[in-house]
Amino acid sequence: EAQVTQNPRYLITVTGKKLTVTCSQNMNHEYMSWYRQDPGLGLRQIYYSMNVEVTDKGDVPEGYKVSRKEKRNFPLILESPSPNQTSLYFCASSNPGLGSPLHFGNGTRLTVT
Amino acid sequence: EDQVTQSPEALRLQEGESSSLNCSYTVSGLRGLFWYRQDPGKGPEFLFTLYSAGEEKEKERLKATLTKKESFLHITAPKPEDSATYLCAVRGSGGYQKVTFGTGTKLQVIP
Repeated sequence: EAQVTQNPRYLITVTGKKLTVTCSQNMNHEYMSWYRQDPGLGLRQIYYSMNVEVTDKGDVPEGYKVSRKEKRNFPLILESPSPNQTSLYFCASSNPGLGSPLHFGNGTRLTVT
Repeated sequence: EDQVTQSPEALRLQEGESSSLNCSYTVSGLRGLFWYRQDPGKGPEFLFTLYSAGEEKEKERLKATLTKKESFLHITAPKPEDSATYLCAVRGSGGYQKVTFGTGTKLQVIP
């Protein structure tokens, strides 16, 4: 089954404790991206990757890091999480092509206390 | 800067009561307008892509239409299982990675 898999689904952590959220897709997509979703603000892009070893900042990159060492994986790293990073996070992937839709994972709900 | 505004924020319908959701957008060089469905606790699920004014697409009880400034998602004779948040997004000429989302319309269909 074609899918984007995120782990973990739920994560509660404390301020400053480094964490990684994993994302993997099995559709051989070149493009991958991370979003956060907050009430009233919609989906906002954190980082994206056009291909292996090619990453760039989205609209809200502060406090986040990413890497793309393999085509299928695109982990999101929070080196020193803060409470304002409490949010619902989604990984997405797609084929190139301007009309190509994004395929989303089922999300990771992160709480930073 | 691309912008997407969806209305209403929330909509409550009786089963069988048809209605429309609105997505107003401003974008530099539309490359695609997307509709997604999002169930609670899940990621958005792709429904439609529209490319140019006048285009229409249908899937079961849903029909999406597009003008130069707006898109509508028409829901005909909705059922309770159509309850979800519907998201609209646009991709313009600012680059493949630049997809701007609206904040969604939360639809509740009551039996």
